[in-house]
Amino acid sequence: AQSVSQHNHHVILSEAASLELGCNYSYGGTVNLFWYVQYPGQHLQLLLKYFSGDPLVKGIKGFEAEFIKSKFSFNLRKPSVQWSDTAEYFCAVTTTDSWGKLQFGAGTQVVVTP
Amino acid sequence: DTEVTQTPKHLVMGMTNKKSLKCEQHMGHRAMYWYKQKAKKPPELMFVYSYEKLSINESVPSRFSPECPNSSLLNLHLHALQPEDSALYLCASSQNRGREQPQHFGDGTRLSIL
Repeated sequence: AQSVSQHNHHVILSEAASLELGCNYSYGGTVNLFWYVQYPGQHLQLLLKYFSGDPLVKGIKGFEAEFIKSKFSFNLRKPSVQWSDTAEYFCAVTTTDSWGKLQFGAGTQVVVTP
Repeated sequence: DTEVTQTPKHLVMGMTNKKSLKCEQHMGHRAMYWYKQKAKKPPELMFVYSYEKLSINESVPSRFSPECPNSSLLNLHLHALQPEDSALYLCASSQNRGREQPQHFGDGTRLSIL
């Protein structure tokens, strides 16, 4: 069965620091990859998604992610974070077998200090 | 603001009560989902409806009963719940069940079982 691993459960950083969140998946076939963000008290929002083509995808709010097929990874990055980026970040995967079932990683709580 | 509307936002009920959660979307999406999310955990899929038909039941106890009366509306009927069922219940929708379709989430209903 496929699984999604997020390396860090909790990240604390200062404003203007760079952010990179790791995500690895275990599935040998074709995948679709997503990063969702959940701000405190708000609904899950799609940050970005990868289906095919350019492995570097850009999303909303200055986030980007790189799909590295050989490493089964889809890491999320932001060059300079703001206090408003404090949130829970979830990596998620669908596969050719999953018929749209989103498999979520455990999530990473990001706290940005002023 | 999310385009998926869930009501009520909060619900407190006893173990012998019967209540329902409601979810509505007007984006023309034909796939709708119920998730359960415990604190500090990722969402766990419960049910998937596709074109108003139940497609996936992730071995959810029968005290949870989903219903999709039409393409815009999804209900979750609750009866004889247990304290461990206290959680945030999320509804989501997508264009269809295709693996490349991102899911749009509602704000959730926070359920507390006394």
